[in-house]
Amino acid sequence: RKEVEQDPGPFNVPEGATVAFNCTYSNSASQSFFWYRQDCRKEPKLLMSVYSSGNEDGRFTAQLNRASQYISLLIRDSKLSDSATYLCALAGRRALTFGSGTRLQVQP
Amino acid sequence: EPEVTQTPSHQVTQMGQEVILRCVPISNHLYFYWYRQILGQKVEFLVSFYNNEISEKSEIFDDQFSVERPDGSNFTLKIRSTKLEDSAMYFCASSGQGNEKLFFGSGTQLSVL
Repeated sequence: RKEVEQDPGPFNVPEGATVAFNCTYSNSASQSFFWYRQDCRKEPKLLMSVYSSGNEDGRFTAQLNRASQYISLLIRDSKLSDSATYLCALAGRRALTFGSGTRLQVQP
Repeated sequence: EPEVTQTPSHQVTQMGQEVILRCVPISNHLYFYWYRQILGQKVEFLVSFYNNEISEKSEIFDDQFSVERPDGSNFTLKIRSTKLEDSAMYFCASSGQGNEKLFFGSGTQLSVL
């Protein structure tokens, strides 16, 4: 099993839709979890940390399920500007490890 | 807002040459990182640096690579005897605490011909 796995997509959704991505991880010792956003040929930008109790930031909600070893990102009311690749990242004893990303394309 | 800056934004070099990629981390950060991303592939960890020494490195970071913090602000990645497969976007990152909330620079696109 890969250390971090994501569905590459693309997820093509209309504006205003709700979309969710999952990310599974194999290392149960992972301690910190994040979602990053990456636009084409740009640097990853931190979107939000993921806390055990779940957390929300505007239209974005992140969840962690330690028992099943996955994290999720929910985007409500999708905007055209949400089109990007969403990377999950996790850290434990080792440096931050990224998934390959899930591409989201929001269409008018 | 403080940011990580990287220079140059693009670097073209001939195979076998040495290149130095430069980074200025966020000023009060203590942890520094280099990652790379080959076109169409994932962001891969190369090395982390703390307290003036390497704290962790990946299998990619072999003897061809080295890092240095020559002064209080710069953090450099040197690649000796570049190979075609070294062509990638190289990202520098820094954080205030280890493995927490990395902030990335805009990257150096390295092309080895």
